[in-house]
Amino acid sequence: SQTIHQWPATLVQPVGSPLSLECTVEGTSNPNLYWYRQAAGRGLQLLFYSVGIGQISSEVPQNLSASRPQDRQFILSSKKLLLSDSGFYLCACPRTGGNTEAFFGQGTRLTVV
Amino acid sequence: LAKTTQPISMDSYEGQEVNITCSHNNIATNDYITWYQQFPSQGPRFIIQGYKTKVTNEVASLFIPADRKSSTLSLPRVSLSDTAVYYCLVGRILTGGGNKLTFGTGTQLKVEL
Repeated sequence: SQTIHQWPATLVQPVGSPLSLECTVEGTSNPNLYWYRQAAGRGLQLLFYSVGIGQISSEVPQNLSASRPQDRQFILSSKKLLLSDSGFYLCACPRTGGNTEAFFGQGTRLTVV
Repeated sequence: LAKTTQPISMDSYEGQEVNITCSHNNIATNDYITWYQQFPSQGPRFIIQGYKTKVTNEVASLFIPADRKSSTLSLPRVSLSDTAVYYCLVGRILTGGGNKLTFGTGTQLKVEL
């Protein structure tokens, strides 16, 4: 089965600073990849998904961007963080076989101060 | 994708069966019903998926009526470790594989002794 690695686990960044969160996947090739954000006490919001290298779809307008430089690498970025960017960021990958099961990384807790 | 509605919270005791019902009135023909479990500061974990009738695995059962406008997750004999947030969602398997999952706010299940 697939394994998703995310880092860092926690991050505290000042307002206006840049952001780069990385996600890598093992155990599959050419996966669909997703970035979700979870605000405190809220559900998960889909931010971006990618079906292949260089292919990014944005689900909601925001201060963030995503890139897929390699098949199993997905990066979430921001040039200038806002307080509202604080949250729990999760990278996900569907299980090979085409069902609705997805594997999630352990997440990055981002606090913008 | 169809919006889901589920109770915000539920309380139970160890050894009891817990049933969490979710409504998804606007579910589409090619949508699947999926449930995930999430512990604090972790990514969601897939529990069960179904399309219609009843599905059972080693963890839970999923009951889906003929009209598919609702579903019920059944957890037999819960323990303290089942305290978590449970998400009901409808997911659509995309052409070429993968899925697009829309999470709601989930149900916080609290299990006590």
